[in-house]
Amino acid sequence: QSALTQPASVSGSPGQSITISCTGTSSDFGGYSQVSWYQQHPGKAPKLLIFDTNNRASGVSSRFSASKSGNTASLTISGLQADDEADYHCSSYTSTNTYVFGAGTKVTVL
Amino acid sequence: QLQLQESGPRLVKASETLSLSCTVSGGSISSTSYYWGWIRQPPGKGLEWIGSIYYRGTTYYNPSLNSRVTMSVDTSKNQYSLQLSSVTAADTAVYYCARPYYDILTGYYRSEYFEHWGQGILVTVSS
Repeated sequence: QSALTQPASVSGSPGQSITISCTGTSSDFGGYSQVSWYQQHPGKAPKLLIFDTNNRASGVSSRFSASKSGNTASLTISGLQADDEADYHCSSYTSTNTYVFGAGTKVTVL
Repeated sequence: QLQLQESGPRLVKASETLSLSCTVSGGSISSTSYYWGWIRQPPGKGLEWIGSIYYRGTTYYNPSLNSRVTMSVDTSKNQYSLQLSSVTAADTAVYYCARPYYDILTGYYRSEYFEHWGQGILVTVSS
């Protein structure tokens, strides 16, 4: 069970939009798999942002949106803000009741 | 407010067994039907799911760790535990315990996602 593939880093200026990709196999994203995204600030525990591929968790800003096409999931942050600077992790819950995470993407606000 | 707290030795010798507990406060570990999880994060790296356990003891483990992982629940202490045997330096990580997401729109807990996390505990494996 290999990790999902994410870019190591993505950057953008305040107000811009950025997109983070997350690529897996048909085993990771096929069938019943459920995709989620987590935000993690340095030294903190992850925070659930997106569940069921494209639903925002309670209290999450509408600036965060997500989608999936084939074996690639994507997270878009619009109106980039300084506080969005963090690590972002994608995850898939598979049909075998296991979870696989990506290696994480560091977002830098320029 | 639900809180989770990891505890255990922060330094473990190579080849020995890592043992951690997660104490749940602000709610009962056996009050609802979902799985409690353990996730770890090596320094500077991504998250890795270790396993999940139902309060009645049913478990799912990461296939890559399956032969070394044991999880258990102690409802009397409102805690669940993780044991990882034959540790190596590669097992050095921050270990988190976590509870699934509660979807307020549907009223269901979603075991596919983790909402409440402990603060994490850094466990270092020494040679």
